[in-house]
Amino acid sequence: NAGVTQTPKFRVLKTGQSMTLLCAQDMNHEYMYWYRQDPGMGLRLIHYSVGEGTTAKGEVPDGYNVSRLKKQNFLLGLESAAPSQTSVYFCASSLGIGELFFGEGSRLTVL
Amino acid sequence: AQSVTQLGSHVSVSEGALVLLRCNYSSSVPPYLFWYVQYPNQGLQLLLKYTSAATLVKGINGFEAEFKKSETSFHLTKPSAHMSDAAEYFCAVTLRGGTSYGKLTFGQGTILTVHP
Repeated sequence: NAGVTQTPKFRVLKTGQSMTLLCAQDMNHEYMYWYRQDPGMGLRLIHYSVGEGTTAKGEVPDGYNVSRLKKQNFLLGLESAAPSQTSVYFCASSLGIGELFFGEGSRLTVL
Repeated sequence: AQSVTQLGSHVSVSEGALVLLRCNYSSSVPPYLFWYVQYPNQGLQLLLKYTSAATLVKGINGFEAEFKKSETSFHLTKPSAHMSDAAEYFCAVTLRGGTSYGKLTFGQGTILTVHP
């Protein structure tokens, strides 16, 4: 009964370091999304994917890259972390009709 | 483009009192609308959704919302608050049709506090 699983759940980085967040879903959903959540700003879409091998930019894509090599996985990368990227990151998947299934989040702190 | 505005970043009610969380949307075409709930240190869970069937939508945990096109609103209500309802609530909108790819635009969130 896994649903959407994110790893790691917590990470602390220094400015300029790189890292990758992994999202895995076991519901055979075509669509996957990465959001960031910041206090008072709700959730903002970073990147999304409409199927294996596809990616597209969302509302706040700068400083992030993504890949969807396998249908069940969606990776979010930070090549050179900045303090402004301190946030809680949520992965979600869906069938494309709006009901998103979310992971439990990954809390990233950039010092 | 679509957007959502949640009126009130914090709402406080007494246990047993009516819960009313306000959401107004802006959309160039008929939207789908959602309410999600987030408990501390967890992801978001779907409470209810409006997808153009009945305008009064019932969700989990006794919540319901009414789609009012004339007012561009989708307010969330519950007749009697319970301590376990304390959480953050998000209203979200997406456009109908294939080009939306299910992407949701979220409001800023409303933190609900329930006092004994």
